[in-house]
Amino acid sequence: TQLLEQSPQFLSIQEGENLTVYCNSSSVFSSLQWYRQEPGEGPVLLVTVVTGGEVKKLKRLTFQFGDARKDSSLHITAAQPGDTGLYLCAGYGGDQAGTALIFGKGTTLSVSS
Amino acid sequence: DTEVTQTPKHLVMGMTNKKSLKCEQHMGHRAMYWYKQKAKKPPELMFVYSYEKLSINESVPSRFSPECPNSSLLNLHLHALQPEDSALYLCASSQVGTAFNYGYTFGSGTRLTVV
Repeated sequence: TQLLEQSPQFLSIQEGENLTVYCNSSSVFSSLQWYRQEPGEGPVLLVTVVTGGEVKKLKRLTFQFGDARKDSSLHITAAQPGDTGLYLCAGYGGDQAGTALIFGKGTTLSVSS
Repeated sequence: DTEVTQTPKHLVMGMTNKKSLKCEQHMGHRAMYWYKQKAKKPPELMFVYSYEKLSINESVPSRFSPECPNSSLLNLHLHALQPEDSALYLCASSQVGTAFNYGYTFGSGTRLTVV
């Protein structure tokens, strides 16, 4: 069974601070995806990382995929209240019938002004 | 059209009621999913349909019955639910073969309350 450990589970910071969220597994994934979910809405895909060592940037968000494709991190620079939400990492094991996205437990981020 | 539409948005039902949740997408995705999500928890996979055939059932109780009548529609039929089944029910879809890169598209969910 593939598991994803996500940390921290909760994060409460002030506007302007930096933060990093980690997603770790003992399994290799075809890709790791990061989603953000706001209350009462479904998760929205932020980024997918596919190649080991890959780094992707989305404005103030930087995503990294570990060299061995077992872990990923999300770094937010100068957090803003609009970044508040539930951040979910999700691993994709493969496209064979019988597989689906595996979600980490999520990080609830609260950014206050 | 890049959306997954779920109806109703909110549903309150008694433990003896029968109701259905509906999910629709017109992106040509051939994989569709039902997830259950409790507050501040990650989504939990319930069912996966691939090319309109059920490919994963994550040991979900029989009071939940999925149906995929065509490639655009996914239903979840509910019967004799328990209060602990109250949750946000999310539908998602993806392309078969490219989900690893393009991910899933989720609907906004149905907030279900069982009384």
